[in-house]
Amino acid sequence: GENVEQHPSTLSVQEGDSAVIKCTYSDSASNYFPWYKQELGKRPQLIIDIRSNVGEKKDQRIAVTLNKTAKHFSLHITETQPEDSAVYFCAASLNTDKLIFGTGTRLQVFP
Amino acid sequence: DTAVSQTPKYLVTQMGNDKSIKCEQNLGHDTMYWYKQDSKKFLKIMFSYNNKELIINETVPNRFSPKSPDKAHLNLHINSLELGDSAVYFCASSGTAYNEQFFGPGTRLTVL
Repeated sequence: GENVEQHPSTLSVQEGDSAVIKCTYSDSASNYFPWYKQELGKRPQLIIDIRSNVGEKKDQRIAVTLNKTAKHFSLHITETQPEDSAVYFCAASLNTDKLIFGTGTRLQVFP
Repeated sequence: DTAVSQTPKYLVTQMGNDKSIKCEQNLGHDTMYWYKQDSKKFLKIMFSYNNKELIINETVPNRFSPKSPDKAHLNLHINSLELGDSAVYFCASSGTAYNEQFFGPGTRLTVL
């Protein structure tokens, strides 16, 4: 079955810097790769996703890149703000039916 | 309006008890899920139902039994609760393929 590894487990950046979180997946059949943000005590919420027919997707300060050959995908947050502080999860699935989540990255943005 | 709701938000109980968690979605989605998030924040799928039919059943003890009375509801019943069942349980729903999963607010279960 699918296995998703996520790095780093914690990431501290200064406000305004960029943050990058990386994930690798094992099942080459996976075709859907969402990223979720979970604030303390809250539910996971989708922030961006990418399908396997696309190499990159941007939404304001957030971008995701996908390398299908290497089975890597990454989340890039530019101009980080304190409100970006949260736990971020990557996930992989075939057609969204069964999301396999990475282990999470705790991002702290210091003012 | 709340898209995916769960009750109760908190559940504290003794080992050996039986408890249920309820989930409802008003998004008109066909597929609903249960996830478990442990103390290390690992999120793991437990079950998935599509139009009231079980389609995913991960390696979960038989003490856990999901029930979907209709496609807007997915409940989770847990028998003979154990200390290791303590976690946050999230319900989620999604529409057709390639649509995001919307999560409920979670139920924090504490087994004493």
